[in-house]
Amino acid sequence: AQSVSQHNHHVILSEAASLELGCNYSYGGTVNLFWYVQYPGQHLQLLLKYFSGDPLVKGIKGFEAEFIKSKFSFNLRKPSVQWSDTAEYFCAVKNSGAGSYQLTFGKGTKLSVIP
Amino acid sequence: DTAVSQTPKYLVTQMGNDKSIKCEQNLGHDTMYWYKQDSKKFLKIMFSYNNKELIINETVPNRFSPKSPDKAHLNLHINSLELGDSAVYFCASSQAYRLVTNEQFFGPGTRLTVL
Repeated sequence: AQSVSQHNHHVILSEAASLELGCNYSYGGTVNLFWYVQYPGQHLQLLLKYFSGDPLVKGIKGFEAEFIKSKFSFNLRKPSVQWSDTAEYFCAVKNSGAGSYQLTFGKGTKLSVIP
Repeated sequence: DTAVSQTPKYLVTQMGNDKSIKCEQNLGHDTMYWYKQDSKKFLKIMFSYNNKELIINETVPNRFSPKSPDKAHLNLHINSLELGDSAVYFCASSQAYRLVTNEQFFGPGTRLTVL
């Protein structure tokens, strides 16, 4: 079974600081990877996704993520965070192995940006 | 235009009651999902339907019964509500689930509180 680990439970940054949120998954086959964001009181929105090709993926709002297959990682980055980035961030993985097409989420990382 | 909508947004009820949450998507998607997000923000898949047929049924008490009258709707009925059922329930939809490259679109969530 696939699983997703997000190492940081809560990250606190000042505005303009750089962000990197870790995500590791366990599955040896072909995977698709996603980062979702959940702003306070809102539903999940897709930030970016990786299916194939260039391992450096650019998403909305200045976010990017790099897929490193050898490390089973898909870390999320942003060079300069804003107060409006305060939210919960979820990494998710989906594989195309036999009998499994569901999305598995990590436990989320809460990001608090201090003005 | 609301892509994935859920009603109600908030639901407060007593233990032992039976309640339903409704979900509708206007994206023309074939597959719909129910997720439960607990108090620690952990998201876990509960059910998935593709063209009105059940394809994913995780280990969920049989007090939870999904119903899909057509592929645009997936309702969740819960019998004999318990305190532990308190959570936020998210509906989502995607194109045919076997498409590796599809992404899921989430509804706004229903916050269920069982007293």
